[in-house]
Amino acid sequence: GAVVSQHPSRVICKSGTSVKIECRSLDFQATTMFWYRQFPKQSLMLMATSNEGSKATYEQGVEKDKFLINHASLTLSTLTVTSAHPEDSSFYICSARDRSNEKLFFGSGTQLSVL
Amino acid sequence: SQQGEEDPQALSIQEGENATMNCSYKTSINNLQWYRQNSGRGLVHLILIRSNEREKHSGRLRVTLDTSKKSSSLLITASRAADTASYFCATDAHSGNTPLVFGKGTRLSVIA
Repeated sequence: GAVVSQHPSRVICKSGTSVKIECRSLDFQATTMFWYRQFPKQSLMLMATSNEGSKATYEQGVEKDKFLINHASLTLSTLTVTSAHPEDSSFYICSARDRSNEKLFFGSGTQLSVL
Repeated sequence: SQQGEEDPQALSIQEGENATMNCSYKTSINNLQWYRQNSGRGLVHLILIRSNEREKHSGRLRVTLDTSKKSSSLLITASRAADTASYFCATDAHSGNTPLVFGKGTRLSVIA
């Protein structure tokens, strides 16, 4: 089955640094990937839709200059949390849809902790 | 925007009992999916039910869908301590570029 690989699984960084999270579709081409954020004991909230070769579409309230999304190829999307602060500490998870399959496939998530 | 609402938000039962979780949504869907998430971990896809289906089974899981009421239920029979997790419903409009929209989830605790 289709697999989405997400790295890193866990990152701890100092406040003010930038963190890049990668999301790869391993055996299918994903023209669209989705980035979610999940705070402790809460649900997954869609942050942005990443489209290959074009600008990402951000949900209301998500700062595009803070959460930079690059979808340069059909198998890779990256989310960069710029100048991270403690309030950005969260679980970030990507997903991609294989057009031949009804399911969206999810990465294993990245736990970001900003000190 | 969040459109699914799970009920209850938290559920605690004894091992061997059945657990029922409900989900309501607001807009038209192509399918509805249920996911499980252990604390701090990724999502595990449990079951998908299409909008033209009313009931689906998978092992100890039974899912129902009532599109007229825009609601779904997940039943876990003969629960085990290992079933302890958060369970989310997610609706899929399935129009190409649409993401899944997740409900708030139910935190299930199964006590041995």
